[in-house]
Amino acid sequence: GAGVSQSPRYKVAKRGQDVALRCDPISGHVSLFWYQQALGQGPEFLTYFQNEAQLDKSGLPSDRFFAERPEGSVSTLKIQRTQQEDSAVYLCASSLGYGAGANVLTFGAGSRLTVL
Amino acid sequence: SQQGEEDPQALSIQEGENATMNCSYKTSINNLQWYRQNSGRGLVHLILIRSNEREKHSGRLRVTLDTSKKSSSLLITASRAADTASYFCAVPGSARQLTFGSGTQLTVLP
Repeated sequence: GAGVSQSPRYKVAKRGQDVALRCDPISGHVSLFWYQQALGQGPEFLTYFQNEAQLDKSGLPSDRFFAERPEGSVSTLKIQRTQQEDSAVYLCASSLGYGAGANVLTFGAGSRLTVL
Repeated sequence: SQQGEEDPQALSIQEGENATMNCSYKTSINNLQWYRQNSGRGLVHLILIRSNEREKHSGRLRVTLDTSKKSSSLLITASRAADTASYFCAVPGSARQLTFGSGTQLTVLP
């Protein structure tokens, strides 16, 4: 597709459930990023992939968060045993070049997770 | 933590007026970007300014960068209702990510 696609757009989970969020980046984009955005705040970095390699996961808040990009295209962010504080919008972004130093990021519309 | 911080947090103006929002950051950078986010949407890239540039224009947007003060400003001229959105500055982080500020919520009243 022409843009970054994320699914589902909305997810409601009961506390303790596992969730999986999917990101389809722009074809050919080397870099893929996951961000978490709380209401009224800016996006906070979670993790970065260069092709299939997860080069930085320093932003993942706990070991309940796991991300993968096995074939260097589609990525999945998994959250195990969800907690209420996990409620946020999860944004995926991709860029053609390596990293985001001087590269423009193209964002998806996000997946809004609500944990009850 | 967020390196870039926008000011003001919220701004409300009439259609046709100019809107100015500011961004301050903490470390040395080689470029700075501005993004817009409409409600319920992802972020959209507006403009990138390099550290050796002081000013850059794109349509009704004017961005300045003062590396000595570690600050940038975004000016939107002749604002329209469709400019209503949140605006974020972003700088390269310690690894390979972009670090975003907390944003300025701009409301343009018709």
